[in-house]
Parts: sequence; structure tokens; C-alpha cells
Amino acid sequence: EAQVTQNPRYLITVTGKKLTVTCSQNMNHEYMSWYRQDPGLGLRQIYYSMNVEVTDKGDVPEGYKVSRKEKRNFPLILESPSPNQTSLYFCASSLYRLSTDTQYFGPGTRLTVL
Amino acid sequence: GEDVEQSLFLSVREGDSSVINCTYTDSSSTYLYWYKQEPGAGLQLLTYIFSNMDMKQDQRLTVLLNKKDKHLSLRIADTQTGDSAIYFCAESGNNNDMRFGAGTRLTVKP
Repeated sequence: EAQVTQNPRYLITVTGKKLTVTCSQNMNHEYMSWYRQDPGLGLRQIYYSMNVEVTDKGDVPEGYKVSRKEKRNFPLILESPSPNQTSLYFCASSLYRLSTDTQYFGPGTRLTVL
Repeated sequence: GEDVEQSLFLSVREGDSSVINCTYTDSSSTYLYWYKQEPGAGLQLLTYIFSNMDMKQDQRLTVLLNKKDKHLSLRIADTQTGDSAIYFCAESGNNNDMRFGAGTRLTVKP
């Protein structure tokens, strides 16, 4: 089954404790992206990747890192989480460039930073 | 930065048409999208329109684009209770980043 998976689905952590949210897709997609969803703000793009070893900042990259060492995986890293990073995070992928292909979304990761 | 704006709530009766509106500011937008999010789920692409098109129809969905006014709308004909969800307008440009509106919560009353 074609899908985007994220782990964990729910995470409660404390300020300053490094964490990684994994994202994996099994569709051989080149484009992958991370978003955060906050009430009243919709989805905001954090980082995106056009292909392996190619990553670019979205609208809200501060406090986040990503890596794309393999095509299927695009982990989101919070080196020192803070409470303002409490949010619902979505990973997404599409076959090639964003504007011409359907973007498939993962189920979301709800992160709480205390 | 560039913005995408949409009203937060819309309530309609079952069987009526729903019209969800969106405005955007980026004149270089290439594609405009409508996504649907059901409770506890990720986003599902409903439809998209290229910026040189005025209208796109797909079954019960009609998308209208007024590029001069930077206004996008989604019309859902014969709205059903299963259409209740949050609908997001989004746009992307040539540099492959993407911007979403805050989402419109559509409530369909029986």
C-alpha cells in the first residue's frame, strides 16, 4: 500500500531534550516536505527536499533541522525543543516537483513540549 | 511574506451548495490547490488549478480562479454530511515551496 508513515504519532517531551520525528514513504517520491499545523494558522512549511541531499527552508525553519540521506526517509530533528514548537506535524511527499503532482500526507505527529 | 487567507467557518444545509473563498497575495503563484482534512487525518488533495486557467470542474467540485483579483473559490454542489471537514486553500510558485490558508471549517447540517 502506497503511504507516508510518521513516528511517533504522539510525543510529550521537555524543553531542551533533542528529538527526531521520522518520516518514510514507499512510493519512490523525490519531493518530501514537513509542515506544522497550528489553530488559526493552517499549515506552514518548515523544510522541503527536492531529492537526496537537497533540502531547502520553508516559511518557518527556525529551531528545526532535516536530512535527506536516502530517498525514502526525511527525518525532522528538534535539537533543543521549546514550548512554542508544540504543534501537529505533517510529513508529505510527491513524485517530482511540487506543483505538478499530488502531495501525499502522513497521518501527523502531535508534539507537546513542556 | 506572502499570505493565503480564507474565512474560518461555513455552515450549510444538506443538499445546498457550499462556496469556500480564498485570497492570496503572491502574483507568481503557479498552482492553486484545495485540500480536505477530516478529523484526526492528514490532508487529502481535492483538486488543483493551474494559474492560467479560469475554471476547473470535477464532478461536484467547481474551482474558479480570478487571477486579477487573486481570488480562488471552491464550490461543492449538493453538499452532503460527509463533506463536513476543514478545507484548505494552498498555493505554490516556481521555487517549490507551498503556502496554506488557515482552513475553513465546513459544517453540513441535516
